[in-house]
Amino acid sequence: EAQVTQNPRYLITVTGKKLTVTCSQNMNHEYMSWYRQDPGLGLRQIYYSMNVEVTDKGDVPEGYKVSRKEKRNFPLILESPSPNQTSLYFCASSLRAPYADSPLHFGNGTRLTVT
Amino acid sequence: DAKTTQPTSMDCAEGRAANLPCNHSTISGNEYVYWYRQIHSQGPQYIIHGLKNNETNEMASLIITEDRKSSTLILPHATLRDTAVYYCIVTGTASKLTFGTGTRLQVTL
Repeated sequence: EAQVTQNPRYLITVTGKKLTVTCSQNMNHEYMSWYRQDPGLGLRQIYYSMNVEVTDKGDVPEGYKVSRKEKRNFPLILESPSPNQTSLYFCASSLRAPYADSPLHFGNGTRLTVT
Repeated sequence: DAKTTQPTSMDCAEGRAANLPCNHSTISGNEYVYWYRQIHSQGPQYIIHGLKNNETNEMASLIITEDRKSSTLILPHATLRDTAVYYCIVTGTASKLTFGTGTRLQVTL
């Protein structure tokens, strides 16, 4: 089944403890992206990747890192999480960049709580 | 990228058509209009997209005005399962894709 898989679904951690949220897609998509969703603020883009080894900042990249060593994986890294990074995170992918005729496919989300 | 404006919320009776408007007055000629929806806190789901012509699929219809400055998503026979937040997005030449806060559609009995 074609899908975007995020893990874990739920994560509770403490301030400063490094964590990684994994994202994997099995559709051979070139474009991948991370979003965070907070009440009243909608979906905001954190980072995106046009292809392997190509990443760029979205609207809210501070405090996050990403890597794209393989086409299928796009992990989100929080080196030193803080409580303001408590949020619902979504990974998404599309065959080509969003400006093309290419819909996004989203994962089921990761709910992160930083205490 | 062009910005979009959507009503914050709408209600629709079950079985009736739900018409969700979106304004994108600064849209450029090569930008697509996309619609997604998000049910509760699940991952957003793609619904439909178009460039200039009206489009229809098994989920919905998309009507784009001739000047392309606005569009309407039509759910022909809304059901309770269509209760969700609906996002209208305009893609551009940039690689970023920005979602707003969408329209919260409540389908009622």
